[in-house]
Amino acid sequence: GIQVEQSPPDLILQEGANSTLRCNFSDSVNNLQWFHQNPWGQLINLFYIPSGTKQNGRLSATTVATERYSLLYISSSQTTDSGVYFCAVELGTGRRALTFGSGTRLQVQP
Amino acid sequence: DGGITQSPKYLFRKEGQNVTLSCEQNLNHDAMYWYRQDPGQGLRLIYYSQIVNDFQKGDIAEGYSVSREKKESFPLTVTSAQKNPTAFYLCASSIPNDEQFFGPGTRLTVL
Repeated sequence: GIQVEQSPPDLILQEGANSTLRCNFSDSVNNLQWFHQNPWGQLINLFYIPSGTKQNGRLSATTVATERYSLLYISSSQTTDSGVYFCAVELGTGRRALTFGSGTRLQVQP
Repeated sequence: DGGITQSPKYLFRKEGQNVTLSCEQNLNHDAMYWYRQDPGQGLRLIYYSQIVNDFQKGDIAEGYSVSREKKESFPLTVTSAQKNPTAFYLCASSIPNDEQFFGPGTRLTVL
């Protein structure tokens, strides 16, 4: 099946710093989503981005489908950005459901 | 107020018991999904349904069962055949082949 690899697995930042999270995937995808999981376990949708670039406030994401990777940028990080960030993909053919990476655990320190 | 609801929030099960987790959505989505999350890991697919009265197994379907009798409901039963059911269970829904949205989850603990 499709493989989804996220890096780095853990990241500690000082408040105000910028960061880049990476997601590599092994096959052509129909759908790619980025999520933030808060301390209560809720998955919050950040981006639906099978290709191209999107921005939402301090967050932006880029997916280069032909090279099979996506990047999530967090600028001017805040303590509320702490949590786990997941990348998830859906194959272009076959099963119509998401395959998740193992996540990047981000801790933003004041 | 549109969204996905899951109940209960916490569930405790004795060994040998079957339990059913509820998932309801009022987003008029055709597709619904169940995922399992173990501590420190990503989500894994249990079952999914693209349309009423039809569903498919995911990667870890053994010991679980589902039904899809109504568009807005997709209950998951954790049977006694599931040897290690303690986990966080998340339900999601979507327009088929489009962005998925998740419910708040149910934490199941086996006593």
